[in-house]
Order: sequence, then C-alpha cells, then structure tokens
Amino acid sequence: AIRITQSPSSLSASTGDRVTITCRASQGISSYLAWYQQKPGKAPKLLIYAASTLQSGVPSRFSGSGSGTDFTLTISCLQSEDFATYYCQQYYSYPITFGQGTRLEIK
Amino acid sequence: EVQLVESGGGLVQPGGSLRLSCAASGFTFSSYDMHWVRQATGKGLEWVSAIGTAGDTYYPGSVKGRFTISRENAKNSLYLQMNSLRAGDTAVYYCARGGDNWNDLDAFDIWGQGTMVTVSS
Repeated sequence: AIRITQSPSSLSASTGDRVTITCRASQGISSYLAWYQQKPGKAPKLLIYAASTLQSGVPSRFSGSGSGTDFTLTISCLQSEDFATYYCQQYYSYPITFGQGTRLEIK
Repeated sequence: EVQLVESGGGLVQPGGSLRLSCAASGFTFSSYDMHWVRQATGKGLEWVSAIGTAGDTYYPGSVKGRFTISRENAKNSLYLQMNSLRAGDTAVYYCARGGDNWNDLDAFDIWGQGTMVTVSS
C-alpha cells in the first residue's frame, strides 16, 4: 500500500496568515492527490483534486501543488472559517490511503 | 440536489453483523464509483471499500473477508455488509462518490453525513 506522510500534525496560525501543509507519498502517484477539509462533526469536504485543481465553489485562497511524491496545500490568507482539520488522499491505486491529518488551530 | 444519506448504524456486539445503506439522489448513481470511508472518534480517515460501475470491488486488508460492498442501481443504493465485527471497527461510516471515469480513480466529491457504528458488549 502507498503510505502518505502528512505534516505537520497540528499548526497554530492567525487570521490573515499564509500556511502550508505537506504530504509525501511513499512512491510516485503522479497527480492523483486530493485535499479535504473537515470541521468537527461534519463530513470531509473536497477542496482540491488532481494535486492542483480547485473544486467548484472553493475559495481561491486555497491552492495545491506538486506531483510524483511531494505535495503541498497552501492557504494564502487564513479566514476564521478555515480553522479545521485537513487531510490529503492518494487515489493513484487501491488501497486508497489518507494522510494522518493536520489540525489547524487559531493562535 | 446531489445527496448521499447513510443509515443502518447502531450498537452491535463483537462478532456480530450490521448492514449499512447509502441512498443516493440528484445524480446518475449507476455511472459512478462509490466508496465507504470510516473515522474512529478523534482519529483520521480510513478508506474501507469501493465498488466500480461494473460491480468490481476493492478492500483494504483490515476489512477484507469481513466486509462486503454492493450496489443496487435500480434503487440508487449502496450497501456495506459488515460481519465478524470488532471493537476496532467502531467509527462513523461515510459513503462517498468517486469518479465516473471507468478506467481511472478519482477524488471523493460528495459525502454523506455519516452513520455511527459501535461495536461493544
């Protein structure tokens, strides 16, 4: 199975900050990587797919980059509603695997 | 409105069985891969199973041989039959929509609200 290592596991930031979360795959997955946002008690929400394509309706302050084994999610100017947990996911092959998650907290 | 609604969760004893259902609406269900994903309380997301449009199925090692995913396109419904349940299967179970590309995987763009499964004596 392809292992996904996500870092950091938690992050404290302030409104207006720029933050970056990274994921590393244990083998090349081309651009078959997605990013999800999850708020407490809610289902995950797709933010980015194909490593860098913004899902419809997602604000442009979210961006993704990378291919192969190294990927990043950047939030350019944090808003209050962005404080949540973020997961990356590889869908290059079965079994589909997720990163461990990054909890983004208010500083 | 595109929607997925899970049902069937509850409390079950170790070794017992449970069948989850997911009702789809607002899209052509038969054209999409479908998935189950679970999340234990306070933990991360774990993919549990997938079924393609042709009925091909996929599982991780943690549930293979115990869980069975199926679909009934005429009823726009997805199912997860869970047997030999263990305490470690306790989680919220989500159904999610994959892609409609028969020869490629895709991200999960639609998720249900989840149904809680508790395995305990």
